[in-house]
Amino acid sequence: QKEVEQDPGPLSVPEGAIVSLNCTYSNSAFQYFMWYRQYSRKGPELLMYTYSSGNKEDGRFTAQVDKSSKYISLFIRDSQPSDSATYLCAMSLDYKLSFGAGTTVTVRA
Amino acid sequence: NAGVTQTPKFQVLKTGQSMTLQCAQDMNHNSMYWYRQDPGMGLRLIYYSASEGTTDKGEVPNGYNVSRLNKREFSLRLESAAPSQTSVYFCASRVGGYSYEQYFGPGTRLTVT
Repeated sequence: QKEVEQDPGPLSVPEGAIVSLNCTYSNSAFQYFMWYRQYSRKGPELLMYTYSSGNKEDGRFTAQVDKSSKYISLFIRDSQPSDSATYLCAMSLDYKLSFGAGTTVTVRA
Repeated sequence: NAGVTQTPKFQVLKTGQSMTLQCAQDMNHNSMYWYRQDPGMGLRLIYYSASEGTTDKGEVPNGYNVSRLNKREFSLRLESAAPSQTSVYFCASRVGGYSYEQYFGPGTRLTVT
């Protein structure tokens, strides 16, 4: 069993829809929880991070962590075609990252 | 600042050939990492260097070696390439200390035939 599980999708939504992404994990020792965005043929870039259980908002993006269920989510409101990318969840332990497989999202204009 | 740079961008090797992937960062970061990305597998850590002069194995080190040449540069060597090493390779760096954020390079697409 992989430490971090993420549904690879793909996910296709119309412009303006809410995108919901999630990951589950098995290692309760993970310390930080992150979402990276990766455009086609580019390197991943950090989108959001959080440390504790609860919600964190940044503009149209909301990251949610539930440590008791070992479950994290990312919500994108009012999605735009420019949000079309692969979204990777990542979790940190001792400053090493464990990644999910990534979910490919397409926002249709 | 260029951030994290990687060379080459693309490479095709025959089985058994060797090559070195180069990575450099200009952010004065202490820690550097090498990952490979395969479809359906996400990013997997090959080797990392917590600080200049140290290197450690990650999740998938077999078939690879690394050198932390100085604080800026961290290279990945394939001594005898195999088709299973066909992948996209990413280098990343982290400032160190209590910071967890890693900054990634643009990647090297390697095909081994």
